[in-house]
Amino acid sequence: SYELTQPLSVSVALGQTARITCGGNNIGSKNVHWYQQKPGQAPVLVIYRDSNRPSGIPERFSGSNSGNTATLTISRAQAGDEADYYCQVWDSSTHCVFGTGTKVTVL
Amino acid sequence: QVQLVESGGGLVKPGGSLRLSCAASGFTFSDYYMSWIRQAPGKGLEWVSYISSSGSTIYYADSVKGRFTISRDNAKNSLYLQMNSLRAEDTAVYYCARAKADHVDYWGQGTLVTVSS
Repeated sequence: SYELTQPLSVSVALGQTARITCGGNNIGSKNVHWYQQKPGQAPVLVIYRDSNRPSGIPERFSGSNSGNTATLTISRAQAGDEADYYCQVWDSSTHCVFGTGTKVTVL
Repeated sequence: QVQLVESGGGLVKPGGSLRLSCAASGFTFSDYYMSWIRQAPGKGLEWVSYISSSGSTIYYADSVKGRFTISRDNAKNSLYLQMNSLRAEDTAVYYCARAKADHVDYWGQGTLVTVSS
């Protein structure tokens, strides 16, 4: 089965850049999607198909995907960006796979 | 605007059954694939099941295959999840989600299912 690995936590200073990685075997050949989940709330799509932002998502959120690692980048981090972030791919055998999740803390 | 409202969660004993419903509005329900995704307390997201727009294609996670059944009624703009032979490890918030081929673009607020004696 296909697995996605994320760091448990990432800390970023207010106004600086946070990078959250998502590792998977040849993930660069797949479409990667990212979700933000704040405490007590449902997840929200922030990046789809590697680097596309849904309407309403700030330009500060960007994504890239190559080789065995996909990355979600949060520029000029704000206190409101504190949340759990999950990557996700669709795999032909495992179907929908979520990453293990990363807790982002803004210091 | 897109709205997905789950219902049917609650407390059930191990081995019991429960049927979740999801009422969709704000979009043409019959045009979209739909999914159920769950999240155990304090844990990450786990995909449960997926159904195509017509209902002709269905997938399940191995953890629920043979116990859960997804279905939809496009005339009623509704998605369902019939859960049988429930186990303690099925305890989770269950989210109804609108799918766009390979990802989810909208999520409901979730309904809590607790399996305990």
